[in-house]
Amino acid sequence: DQQVKQNSPSLSVQEGRISILNCDYTNSMFDYFLWYKKYPAEGPTFLISISSIKDKNEDGRFTVFLNKSAKHLSLHIVPSQPGDSAVYFCAARLNQAGTALIFGKGTTLSVSS
Amino acid sequence: DTGVSQDPRHKITKRGQNVTFRCDPISEHNRLYWYRQTLGQGPEFLTYFQNEAQLEKSRLLSDRFSAERPKGSFSTLEIQRTEQGDSAMYLCASSLVELDYEQYFGPGTRLTVT
Repeated sequence: DQQVKQNSPSLSVQEGRISILNCDYTNSMFDYFLWYKKYPAEGPTFLISISSIKDKNEDGRFTVFLNKSAKHLSLHIVPSQPGDSAVYFCAARLNQAGTALIFGKGTTLSVSS
Repeated sequence: DTGVSQDPRHKITKRGQNVTFRCDPISEHNRLYWYRQTLGQGPEFLTYFQNEAQLEKSRLLSDRFSAERPKGSFSTLEIQRTEQGDSAMYLCASSLVELDYEQYFGPGTRLTVT
């Protein structure tokens, strides 16, 4: 049973517009959520994280929003750039159950110029 | 570059052979993790070390898999008697203990078992 779900396999956005990537989770014991970006033939690159006690975290063009009641988080990229084209993974850590991250299956973002 | 490095980047082997991968973490990171990623999936946790101690293993880590971190620095992951189902990207990550949720990944080793 997947605990972290990214239901949109792909997303296409025009350069300069906002990209919104979504993630749903089922386990209320997750204490940290993260977003990673992955280019082909490279490992995932850490982008941004958010604690479960917060509802927003911002870093430059990237903002993550957490809605605990809906068990939903989203990553906003504004403005989107062609170099943002990659696979984006949502991940979560299970509090007090080791340090393993649980990943979603990823969403492929394509930003066209 | 002081990021996580992995060697080799690609490995092709025949079924039944043994393979070994190496990971060098970020130098000040005392936690080291191994994940496996197959096509269309996100990375899946295999095991992790704090310094030289292996503290957790996933049920994905069958008895054909063994990992070591002998001096608390680099780590090796060995797969014995490889099977075609072992074909995957093997990813290594590292972190600080106090920020263990922020894990930094290496480029991975792509294993193909023929």
